[in-house]
Amino acid sequence: GNSVTQMEGPVTLSEEAFLTINCTYTATGYPSLFWYVQYPGEGLQLLLKATKADDKGSNKGFEATYRKETTSFHLEKGSVQVSDSAVYFCALTDSWGKLQFGAGTQVVVTP
Amino acid sequence: SAVISQKPSRDICQRGTSLTIQCQVDSQVTMMFWYRQQPGQSLTLIATANQGSEATYESGFVIDKFPISRPNLTFSTLTVSNMSPEDSSIYLCSATRGGTYNEQFFGPGTRLTVL
Repeated sequence: GNSVTQMEGPVTLSEEAFLTINCTYTATGYPSLFWYVQYPGEGLQLLLKATKADDKGSNKGFEATYRKETTSFHLEKGSVQVSDSAVYFCALTDSWGKLQFGAGTQVVVTP
Repeated sequence: SAVISQKPSRDICQRGTSLTIQCQVDSQVTMMFWYRQQPGQSLTLIATANQGSEATYESGFVIDKFPISRPNLTFSTLTVSNMSPEDSSIYLCSATRGGTYNEQFFGPGTRLTVL
């Protein structure tokens, strides 16, 4: 079946540092890939998405590229802010629209 | 996009009781789902709520414990039955219009504590 593996947290960074969260997947067919973010005490929000190989999703300074050859969808941001502290979930959908989530990576950004 | 609301936002319940959570979407959607997020964990799909028919449950979840209704294209309910402390979680409703992106929108969640 489908699965998503992402790096364990917590990831602790200083403000303005570069952030990378690794995500790899196993899937049959051609899934769509997503990054969701959950800020403290809040619900889940879609951060960015990509639907086919080599697509790059971007939003709020975050980027991720759908790499079919390495089955990866790593999340990056060049300069993080304290407000980026959250839990980030990598996910994919199958052809039925069901989401499979990774375990989540907590990111803590300090001033 | 779609705006999803859930009621209640949180509740504290006694062991052995049941709680029904409501999910309302502001526009018609094709598919609705229910997820559970246990403390400090990722999200696990409970079931797909099918309009006008029985829900489709994932492995490990059964209708007697988590009955689901979806009477129309914008509304669904999840009941957590005969609760125990292990059911303490955040329950999230989501919806999608399907299509190429299969983007899912999430409700704010219902934080349930069972004593």
